[in-house]
Amino acid sequence: NAGVTQTPKFRVLKTGQSMTLLCAQDMNHEYMYWYRQDPGMGLRLIHYSVGEGTTAKGEVPDGYNVSRLKKQNFLLGLESAAPSQTSVYFCASSYSMRLAGSSYNEQFFGPGTRLTVL
Amino acid sequence: EDQVTQSPEALRLQEGESSSLNCSYTVSGLRGLFWYRQDPGKGPEFLFTLYSAGEEKEKERLKATLTKKESFLHITAPKPEDSATYLCAVHMLIQGAQKLVFGQGTRLTINP
Repeated sequence: NAGVTQTPKFRVLKTGQSMTLLCAQDMNHEYMYWYRQDPGMGLRLIHYSVGEGTTAKGEVPDGYNVSRLKKQNFLLGLESAAPSQTSVYFCASSYSMRLAGSSYNEQFFGPGTRLTVL
Repeated sequence: EDQVTQSPEALRLQEGESSSLNCSYTVSGLRGLFWYRQDPGKGPEFLFTLYSAGEEKEKERLKATLTKKESFLHITAPKPEDSATYLCAVHMLIQGAQKLVFGQGTRLTINP
């Protein structure tokens, strides 16, 4: 099993350009997440999905859009990139994110995409 | 206001020198606490989940413990391959919403 894979690994954009980051998982996980990681800050959730065809906003959703057309894929889009979106982006997946009583299940992370916006 | 704080930011040890990393949180209503390991240029890798105060879990040279306000990751007789950034994440209820909040991490270096 490949686990969670991300494409591309690196990308440089100019301000105003658009791009899509692709995340794929082969573990049949229901839940998928997009995070960004910046120096001195913890991982911050951008958007997440609890199943095919559903998406929801996380902590820092502005400037990003997502789609989950297939269970195994979760796409993150930047419509008009800004320098503030320079970051390392991680995709993750899990079996479930139980919302009542219990806890999140462990998340499996991809290798990350390093994005620079000039 | 930081809700999840890890300390120290960086820690350098000699091989075999045991120590502990700390993860403290300020919000009550803990639903679970996670520890992850992150190697440079890679995504975080799951280590442990702790759900209630007093719980402990072990894996090789690592042991995670949990109290009502903090968790410790104890590293016993570490080896150079234990060098990594260790992240904790807390599942909590904030203003009625479920949230998983990550700390900034502790960068651990083990010198041979």
